[in-house]
Amino acid sequence: GAGVSQSPRYKVAKRGQDVALRCDPISGHVSLFWYQQALGQGPEFLTYFQNEAQLDKSGLPSDRFFAERPEGSVSTLKIQRTQQEDSAVYLCASSSGAHEQYFGPGTRLTVT
Amino acid sequence: AQTVTQSQPEMSVQEAETVTLSCTYDTSESDYYLFWYKQPPSRQMILVIRQEAYKQQNATENRFSVNFQKAAKSFSLKISDSQLGDAAMYFCAYRSWYNQGGKLIFGQGTELSVKP
Repeated sequence: GAGVSQSPRYKVAKRGQDVALRCDPISGHVSLFWYQQALGQGPEFLTYFQNEAQLDKSGLPSDRFFAERPEGSVSTLKIQRTQQEDSAVYLCASSSGAHEQYFGPGTRLTVT
Repeated sequence: AQTVTQSQPEMSVQEAETVTLSCTYDTSESDYYLFWYKQPPSRQMILVIRQEAYKQQNATENRFSVNFQKAAKSFSLKISDSQLGDAAMYFCAYRSWYNQGGKLIFGQGTELSVKP
């Protein structure tokens, strides 16, 4: 079946703009994760959903970051008033439970 | 809080040779999972191998095997008969057994190059 997809693959935003990043998980996967990967670093956890419930948002760096998954499937990560330090690759992963996480290709965000 | 450390930013191996990537972690938990993920230049992260902490036997997946030393909190990855397609960033990751969220904690990564 289809894997995790993310769109857009690349996004350039001017500082201060709002952006929305989309994640389509594998069909039927209950768990969905967002990670932020700075250049040359390992991914860092942002937030976690189980179905539509956001159970952990401890990794969101500021209140400018907001994530939702209203119907328990597609998820959107929104960043308001983007700053240069937000430049990174944003990875989405989904899981069917206590099993491995399947990652999408990521969205590379560049804030100019 | 749990941490994962990969002390080798870059490694190089000759095609068909064997290479070992190092990983250490810190945790106060007794039950957890450890993973090695591969991230080729295309960026899609792929699971290479998984180890449950309660299992004494080291995990093996074809040419990939781990050396899991629980007391030493060490989890190294051995790649045998290296191939050009093995060139990638490799990340070691930890997942708590108890954390319902199952979030992964990653190391900084090791960039592996394979010389023909």
